[in-house]
Amino acid sequence: DAKTTQPTSMDCAEGRAANLPCNHSTISGNEYVYWYRQIHSQGPQYIIHGLKNNETNEMASLIITEDRKSSTLILPHATLRDTAVYYCIVSVGGSQGNLIFGKGTKLSVKP
Amino acid sequence: GAVVSQHPSRVICKSGTSVKIECRSLDFQATTMFWYRQFPKQSLMLMATSNEGSKATYEQGVEKDKFLINHASLTLSTLTVTSAHPEDSSFYICSARKPTGTGTTGELFFGEGSRLTVL
Repeated sequence: DAKTTQPTSMDCAEGRAANLPCNHSTISGNEYVYWYRQIHSQGPQYIIHGLKNNETNEMASLIITEDRKSSTLILPHATLRDTAVYYCIVSVGGSQGNLIFGKGTKLSVKP
Repeated sequence: GAVVSQHPSRVICKSGTSVKIECRSLDFQATTMFWYRQFPKQSLMLMATSNEGSKATYEQGVEKDKFLINHASLTLSTLTVTSAHPEDSSFYICSARKPTGTGTTGELFFGEGSRLTVL
């Protein structure tokens, strides 16, 4: 079973920041938080991942709470092309571990 | 650009025939690849872990004789759906983990997916 809980769906206005929450209250000390997204009929796309510290890359920012029981993915300026299902996954990183997908959040970016 | 590629992207076959789907890691060697299946409006479900040079590890409920996995080289894993039935129609996705120390921290990359339709 997936170890994360996400809202089923969210809407966001084009150009605004999209903040996608994820709860992972049973995360272990050696587990990373990964975010992927899946645009319809495509394979999942890696977005970002982190262990304890907040992370930022060209796609998004990841904010992890101090107790690591929850996190938020931030898309700073959402575009229509960001409409997708976003999956938050916890997993052992490095060369080990597959990814167990939950149901994700369907983000709809509206003009 | 894509680092994991699947072929074919779409395939239609008759019931009872076998279909092979290829998964290639394009610029790295992958000792382990993963195969997922996704039904419409559902999430990805892990089917099996493909190990180079050894037998695949199947998840509970996945028939190993029906879904044959061969990981013959460090850049290629194949999934063969044998004696396909309409209920095998699904979106099949492979993934591979890029080794650490190659500019990544071991994140998993996914192929584009292969949509199988069994008539």
